[in-house]
Amino acid sequence: AQSVTQPDIHITVSEGASLELRCNYSYGATPYLFWYVQSPGQGLQLLLKYFSGDTLVQGIKGFEAEFKRSQSSFNLRKPSVHWSDAAEYFCAVAFEGNKLTFGTGTQLKVEL
Amino acid sequence: NAGVTQTPKFRILKIGQSMTLQCTQDMNHNYMYWYRQDPGMGLKLIYYSVGAGITDKGEVPNGYNVSRSTTEDFPLRLELAAPSQTSVYFCASSQRTGITEAFFGQGTRLTVV
Repeated sequence: AQSVTQPDIHITVSEGASLELRCNYSYGATPYLFWYVQSPGQGLQLLLKYFSGDTLVQGIKGFEAEFKRSQSSFNLRKPSVHWSDAAEYFCAVAFEGNKLTFGTGTQLKVEL
Repeated sequence: NAGVTQTPKFRILKIGQSMTLQCTQDMNHNYMYWYRQDPGMGLKLIYYSVGAGITDKGEVPNGYNVSRSTTEDFPLRLELAAPSQTSVYFCASSQRTGITEAFFGQGTRLTVV
């Protein structure tokens, strides 16, 4: 069965610092990969997605993610974090015909 | 566009009571989903539907029921509420399962006391 691991439950960064959130998945086939963000009291919003092609994908709000097949990873990055980026971030995986499986989330705190 | 609309936003239930969480979408999506979100657990799929008249169980269906009489609506029913059902519930829809973006509602925070 497909599974997603986000090893970092909480991450704290200073405003202006770079950010990397980790995501690993397990399954044999090439997955469809997503990063969602959830602000407090809100639903989930799609940041970016990878289906095929260029392994470095750009998303909204200045985020990017890189798919590395050899490491079964899809880490989310941002060069310079803003205080408004404080939120919970979810990595999700799906395979053709299958449903989305979410990771347990990473809570990002931004220190001013 | 309204997208995915959930009602109510908040609800407190007593043990043993029943209620229906409403979900409607105006994007003409065939696929609809119900998730529950518990702290540190991510989102768990309760039920999903691939079209009107078709529903199927997800990871955690016990204690819940769904129906899909129209493309737009996908209500989630809780029968005999239990404290373990205290959670935040999200409805979502997508054009196709898995490989397309899922759009989420704002969530319903349910407390069972």
